Amino acid sequence: AQSVTQLGSHVSVSEGALVLLRCNYSSSVPPYLFWYVQYPNQGLQLLLKYTSAATLVKGINGFEAEFKKSETSFHLTKPSAHMSDAAEYFCAVSVFSGNTPLVFGKGTRLSVIA
Amino acid sequence: SAVISQKPSRDICQRGTSLTIQCQVDSQVTMMFWYRQQPGQSLTLIATANQGSEATYESGFVIDKFPISRPNLTFSTLTVSNMSPEDSSIYLCSVDVSSYNEQFFGPGTRLTVL
Repeated sequence: AQSVTQLGSHVSVSEGALVLLRCNYSSSVPPYLFWYVQYPNQGLQLLLKYTSAATLVKGINGFEAEFKKSETSFHLTKPSAHMSDAAEYFCAVSVFSGNTPLVFGKGTRLSVIA
Repeated sequence: SAVISQKPSRDICQRGTSLTIQCQVDSQVTMMFWYRQQPGQSLTLIATANQGSEATYESGFVIDKFPISRPNLTFSTLTVSNMSPEDSSIYLCSVDVSSYNEQFFGPGTRLTVL
């Protein structure tokens, strides 16, 4: 069975600083990996996905993530944080390309300090 | 992409009553998924709904408590039965659009049980 571990339930960064949200996965087969963002009182929005193509994945709002098989990691980064990035971020994994539910990590709440 | 709507967006209910949540998708999809997000927690899969067959429930969730209907390829309902305060959560439906290799989420139904 697959699983996801997100290190740090809460990350706080200054505006303009690097954002790094950590995600490690466990899967017995090559995984499909996703990062979702949830703004307060809203649903989930896909930031980016890894589906066995390029290991460096670029997403929306300036975010990117790198798939590292040797480290079983898929960390999310953004060079410069904006106040509008404050939200809850979820890493998720599935083992098939379609019609398979996602397994989510516990989430990381990102705060951005002015 | 897929546009998903849910009704109601939020509700406050008395314990012992039932609430039916509707999920409507703007395109035909094979699988629909229902997740629960308890306060401050990650998403947990309740069940997978395939049109024309019984829903498949995850461990810890039973049909008597969370009956699901899937009458066609664009619609599903989840009922939360005999509610207790522990059922207070956000309930989200999602669909997998295989051509996009990603899951899309509805905006969620925020349920409070008093």
